[in-house]
Amino acid sequence: SQQGEEDPQALSIQEGENATMNCSYKTSINNLQWYRQNSGRGLVHLILIRSNEREKHSGRLRVTLDTSKKSSSLLITASRAADTASYFCATPLNGSGNTGKLIFGQGTTLQVKP
Amino acid sequence: DTGVSQDPRHKITKRGQNVTFRCDPISEHNRLYWYRQTLGQGPEFLTYFQNEAQLEKSRLLSDRFSAERPKGSFSTLEIQRTEQGDSAMYLCASSLVGRGPGELFFGEGSRLTVL
Repeated sequence: SQQGEEDPQALSIQEGENATMNCSYKTSINNLQWYRQNSGRGLVHLILIRSNEREKHSGRLRVTLDTSKKSSSLLITASRAADTASYFCATPLNGSGNTGKLIFGQGTTLQVKP
Repeated sequence: DTGVSQDPRHKITKRGQNVTFRCDPISEHNRLYWYRQTLGQGPEFLTYFQNEAQLEKSRLLSDRFSAERPKGSFSTLEIQRTEQGDSAMYLCASSLVGRGPGELFFGEGSRLTVL
């Protein structure tokens, strides 16, 4: 079964608006990652947040992690048409591993209309 | 381009045929992973290598699947006697041990369609 579950499954916004995606997971983890996937392409790593961090920024991306609620959110500010993609959260398959064995959520499909 | 490359990008085959996918990781990366992704789902872990050693295989990987990384560089994933349920995108990724907790660099994937 999937470790992470993303919400919403689909999101459609206008260019310039902010997009927020949420991820919930089941077991204790030591880090959580977010990836982006353009249609029919491979995944691109966006950001990693460790369990001792509550918030992290990278450009227009802001990620939060609440280990007590086993949830994370990804905020994309001032969205652009080029942000149209599917976004996945991923956690270590065995919770605390650093091996790159990840379990992914089902993803949020984001459409940004120009 | 020095990223992860996969070949072929698309493969259409008839049920019962064998198919092989190749992955060339980023040259200095010693870990290589195979994932499978079906439509509308996130990728699922299949197996991974550190150098030439296959360290783990998922229970998703049936006996019809075999992966190799003979010289610790490129890897192949072979599916024997393909079934329609094998239709999916097969993603390869690589990483470097010691470079943080498991950030993966993915290839563009090999899409398999079994008729």
